[in-house]
Amino acid sequence: EAQVTQNPRYLITVTGKKLTVTCSQNMNHEYMSWYRQDPGLGLRQIYYSMNVEVTDKGDVPEGYKVSRKEKRNFPLILESPSPNQTSLYFCASRNTGNQPQHFGDGTRLSIL
Amino acid sequence: SQQGEEDPQALSIQEGENATMNCSYKTSINNLQWYRQNSGRGLVHLILIRSNEREKHSGRLRVTLDTSKKSSSLLITASRAADTASYFCATKTSYDKVIFGPGTSLSVIP
Repeated sequence: EAQVTQNPRYLITVTGKKLTVTCSQNMNHEYMSWYRQDPGLGLRQIYYSMNVEVTDKGDVPEGYKVSRKEKRNFPLILESPSPNQTSLYFCASRNTGNQPQHFGDGTRLSIL
Repeated sequence: SQQGEEDPQALSIQEGENATMNCSYKTSINNLQWYRQNSGRGLVHLILIRSNEREKHSGRLRVTLDTSKKSSSLLITASRAADTASYFCATKTSYDKVIFGPGTSLSVIP
């Protein structure tokens, strides 16, 4: 089954404790993105990757890091999480061109 | 500022009625996509319309695109309670970037 898998689905942690949210897709998609969703703001892109070892900043990259060592995986790293990073996070993937995005089920992060 | 802006922000209708949501955007696009999100779940792609297309249908969904007005509309006909969700438009620019609007929350009352 074609899917984008995020882990964990839920996480409560404390300020400053490094965390990683994993994202994996099994569709051989070149393009992967991370978004955060906050009430009234819709989805805002954090980082995206157009292929292995090619990543770029989205609209709200501060406080986040990503890597793309393999085509299927695109982890999101919060080196020193802060409460303003409490949000619902989505990973998405697609092929290049006029193709729709496939989304994971989301990761709800709470930073205390 | 947001590339895509949906209107209205919230919509409540009776089952069986049609629901229309609008999306406006600011810059030129390659395509415009509509997605549905059920209560905190992941977004599900509904329909994609390319910049050279004017109208597209998929089941009970009808999407129009007016590039001269930089706007699109999503029509859901004969709505059902199961259509209750948030609906987002997303625009893809020539830089291969997809930008989402803040969404329309649709409630369909049985």
